[in-house]
Amino acid sequence: KAGVTQTPRYLIKTRGQQVTLSCSPISGHRSVSWYQQTPGQGLQFLFEYFSETQRNKGNFPGRFSGRQFSNSRSEMNVSTLELGDSALYLCASSLGDRREEQYFGPGTRLTVT
Amino acid sequence: QKEVEQNSGPLSVPEGAIASLNCTYSDRGSQSFFWYRQYSGKSPELIMFIYSNGDKEDGRFTAQLNKASQYVSLLIRDSQPSDSATYLCAVNRDDYKLSFGAGTTVTVRA
Repeated sequence: KAGVTQTPRYLIKTRGQQVTLSCSPISGHRSVSWYQQTPGQGLQFLFEYFSETQRNKGNFPGRFSGRQFSNSRSEMNVSTLELGDSALYLCASSLGDRREEQYFGPGTRLTVT
Repeated sequence: QKEVEQNSGPLSVPEGAIASLNCTYSDRGSQSFFWYRQYSGKSPELIMFIYSNGDKEDGRFTAQLNKASQYVSLLIRDSQPSDSATYLCAVNRDDYKLSFGAGTTVTVRA
């Protein structure tokens, strides 16, 4: 079974621009979660989607948003990029139960200059 | 107080030895517990999960959970150079969200 896929793998953007990242979950998985990983803050939860509905959201500004499509694929968008948004953005998928294990994709490395 | 805390490391062990990693969590309502391994420049890979008090073994890995003490650990037996990585403890508070510790970097010396 194919794993979680994320596109693009690397991205360089300029401050003030916006960016959209994409995630395709493992086949049959209906939950997609997004995390940001930085050396200083570690892995931090952004939001989780199931059946096109956001079920939980982390403590990030409104510039960070996401959505999920009917085929469970998900996108996250960051508007008005700041230098501090440079990070590895990870997507994880699971079947959808609140307690179960999540499997991560390879991540998108975003650099903001 | 951080939600999830891990022993700071780095942890250096000789090949063939046991590596012991510890993790404590603050929320007594936490329901499920995970260990991920992350190689430098790669994404986290799930290696163990545990939901009930006690031990769970999978190959060379053993996870131990003590909910009363809010403590979860990971033992790596017969450590190999390929086990050199950062190990992340993650806790699920029954709300679809994983809270991660800062990670412990393990180096296995050949």
